Amino acid sequence: DAGVIQSPRHEVTEMGQEVTLRCKPISGHNSLFWYRQTMMRGLELLIYFNNNVPIDDSGMPEDRFSAKMPNASFSTLKIQPSEPRDSAVYFCASSFRATSETYNEQFFGPGTRLTVL
Amino acid sequence: KNEVEQSPQNLTAQEGEFITINCSYSVGISALHWLQQHPGGGIVSLFMLSSGKKKHGRLIATINIQEKHSSLHITASHPRDSAVYICAVRDGGSQGNLIFGKGTKLSVKP
Repeated sequence: DAGVIQSPRHEVTEMGQEVTLRCKPISGHNSLFWYRQTMMRGLELLIYFNNNVPIDDSGMPEDRFSAKMPNASFSTLKIQPSEPRDSAVYFCASSFRATSETYNEQFFGPGTRLTVL
Repeated sequence: KNEVEQSPQNLTAQEGEFITINCSYSVGISALHWLQQHPGGGIVSLFMLSSGKKKHGRLIATINIQEKHSSLHITASHPRDSAVYICAVRDGGSQGNLIFGKGTKLSVKP
């Protein structure tokens, strides 16, 4: 398996533009996580899906951020409009969750480095 | 107060030294993860544990649930171990998302 795939790897955009980040989880995994990493705050969970359904989006900073998972093999994180403070590395991770009480390790994608000018 | 505290923040060691990185947490957890972030930015899961001890090669992770403390040990350290090591806990009261420590930056000199 190729692991978790994210695209683009780097994105530079101007303030006010729409940004879409993409993630393909590992085949067979049913949980998908979007994280953001900054120097100031470290890694933070943005949103978490289980079986394509958003379970916890309490980490989404504000309404400018939205995430979708239309099927088990694809998810997007959209920022509209983007702001300079959104500059960060965005990681997608996936895992397999068998029951509501069990969790397995998460496998991380390579990340997307976003710069908003 | 952060829910997950790591120490030290930065650590420099000579090749071959035994290394310990500590993680303390204040919430009830269902599991604790140790992650390694390479200088290039990629993140790899090293361990997931909820009790006792686990060992992979030169890496050993321990957890004491009563004391809410975990340690990551590296034996016979090597320059390729240079990375940021991140402790993350799975909040037992939540749906399972991870709460991260700020990381420990390890540099192993040859």
